Amino acid sequence: KQEVTQIPAALSVPEGENLVLNCSFTDSAIYNLQWFRQDPGKGLTSLLLIQSSQREQTSGRLNASLDKSSGRSTLYIAASQPGDSATYLCAVTKGYSTLTFGKGTMLLVSP
Amino acid sequence: ETGVTQTPRHLVMGMTNKKSLKCEQHLGHNAMYWYKQSAKKPLELMFVYSLEERVENNSVPSRFSPECPNSSHLFLHLHTLQPEDSALYLCASSLQGRDTQYFGPGTRLTVL
Repeated sequence: KQEVTQIPAALSVPEGENLVLNCSFTDSAIYNLQWFRQDPGKGLTSLLLIQSSQREQTSGRLNASLDKSSGRSTLYIAASQPGDSATYLCAVTKGYSTLTFGKGTMLLVSP
Repeated sequence: ETGVTQTPRHLVMGMTNKKSLKCEQHLGHNAMYWYKQSAKKPLELMFVYSLEERVENNSVPSRFSPECPNSSHLFLHLHTLQPEDSALYLCASSLQGRDTQYFGPGTRLTVL
């Protein structure tokens, strides 16, 4: 059974810092990996999707990498801002559409 | 209205009630999903529909009954729920399976 672990569970940084969120998964036979953002009491917003054949994806200040063989992904956030405060979720896809999620990293960026 | 919408946003029900959650997507997608998000636990996939056919059911209790009358609408019918079913229920859609999923804002369900 696929398990997804995210470290750290919570992170608090001052504005302007660069930071890295980690995600690991136990079964490397994945189709793709996605990073989502969830604001309190709200749904999820897709940030980046990396296909299993890709190594990384970039969107603005966000960069996600994937090392499929070692079962790891990182989300790099450059020059963090208070508006980046949210819970970040990592999810892997195997099979037709099954997304297996981690518990998330709760990020707080203080002004 | 665009994106994925869910109604109601909040629902409080007793264990003997029957209620339904509604999800509607305005993205022209062919696949729709129900997820359950409980405190301290990862998001759990409940049901997957592709072209209105159920393709996945992750061992969900029968007190949860999904319905997908067309590719734009998805329902979750609830009956004789338990307090431990209290959670945020999220709906999502994607163009095809394995594509990026777009989520609705969720329904916060409380079972008394």
